[in-house]
Formats: sequence, structure tokens, C-alpha cells
Amino acid sequence: DVKVTQSSRYLVKRTGEKVFLECVQDMDHENMFWYRQDPGLGLRLIYFSYDVKMKEKGDIPEGYSVSREKKERFSLILESASTNQTSMYLCASIAGGDTSGNKYEQYFGPGTRLTVT
Amino acid sequence: DQQVKQNSPSLSVQEGRISILNCDYTNSMFDYFLWYKKYPAEGPTFLISISSIKDKNEDGRFTVFLNKSAKHLSLHIVPSQPGDSAVYFCAATRTGAGSYQLTFGKGTKLSVIP
Repeated sequence: DVKVTQSSRYLVKRTGEKVFLECVQDMDHENMFWYRQDPGLGLRLIYFSYDVKMKEKGDIPEGYSVSREKKERFSLILESASTNQTSMYLCASIAGGDTSGNKYEQYFGPGTRLTVT
Repeated sequence: DQQVKQNSPSLSVQEGRISILNCDYTNSMFDYFLWYKKYPAEGPTFLISISSIKDKNEDGRFTVFLNKSAKHLSLHIVPSQPGDSAVYFCAATRTGAGSYQLTFGKGTKLSVIP
């Protein structure tokens, strides 16, 4: 079974703090994604990475950066947290290539509920 | 511009009846579609998918129908159970483009009433 883990389930930070959200997957997947989920807005893509040290902006990258130094780990960084970044953050991964019948199925971690006060 | 639309934010259904969740898309390049289910405080879990070469895919109580000409898909759950109460997200992608990016709808919250 694919396992995607996220470093914290709940996090409370103050405005202006630098915040690191960590995601680790154990299936040697090439592609990893960071989303945020907000009520009424669905899942919105922040950044994704298709290989080590590679990153691409998603739909809402402003205020965020990412790091992928190892294949299994993808970090989301809030350089200076703001209250409008209070949200549920979800990490996902998927292998590249035609590896299974459901080859476009992304596997999600449990999420980190971040509150910025 | 929203490329995947779920126009019903919520749906209530009696236990044992059919639940029908709808999804529309605007990008004609999308050719693979997925449904995810999400409980509160958990990550989404994959439910069922369909390729554009098919018009129906069935897995137990879950069936997805695709109408390409209308750019519309629907998820049928029969019979509905209280444990099906969750938020359901429709997602779409373009295969063969070298990207595994999914575009998600805003979700429909399904409540199954015992």
C-alpha cells in the first residue's frame, strides 16, 4: 500500500512566522503535489514536483515555496505566514509512467490543519 | 476560469436510495476523470475513475457515467449508506501530456440520512 505521511496533523503558528510542512511518501513516486483545501473552494494546487530538485507552480503559488531535495520528501514553506493561509494542506504523490490500471490516481496524505493567528 | 464544476455544494439522500453526484468540465482536452471521497480531517481517497474511451465504469455500489458530448459525468451510489456521507470531489486530467496534474471541482457534500 502506498503511504503518504505529513509531519503534523494540526499546527498553530503566529503571523509572520516561517512555517515548514513536510510530506514523505514511501513508494518511490516521481511526482508530488501540495494542495490547500478551503470550504467552497475545493482543492487548489499550490506547487508540484516531477523530480528531485524540480518544481512547478500550481494555481496559487503566491506566499509559498517548496523544496524537494530527496525523492521521497516534498516540503512546503510559508516564508511569512499570514492569516489567509489558515487552511487544510494536503500532500499527494503519484508514480510517473504507466505503472498501474489507475495510473492517474494521486495518493493523498492525511492533511495538516494549519491555523495562523 | 473553473474547468471542472460541481454545481451542487450539497446533497441529502435517504439511506437505501440512489445518490447522484454531478460534474461538468469545460476543457475538451481532458480525457481521464476521477472521483475522490473525503471525510473531515482526513485526506481524499480515490473512489473510481473513467477514461474517455468508455461511457460507464462500475465498481460495486459505485458507477460513473461519462457523456463526452455534454462534457458531463456523474457518480451514482446505489444503495446509499450512512458511511457514504462525505465530500466528493470530481477531478480531470489530460493523459499523455507528461503531467500527472489533476484539476479538481469544488466538491459536493453528501449526507445520507438513516
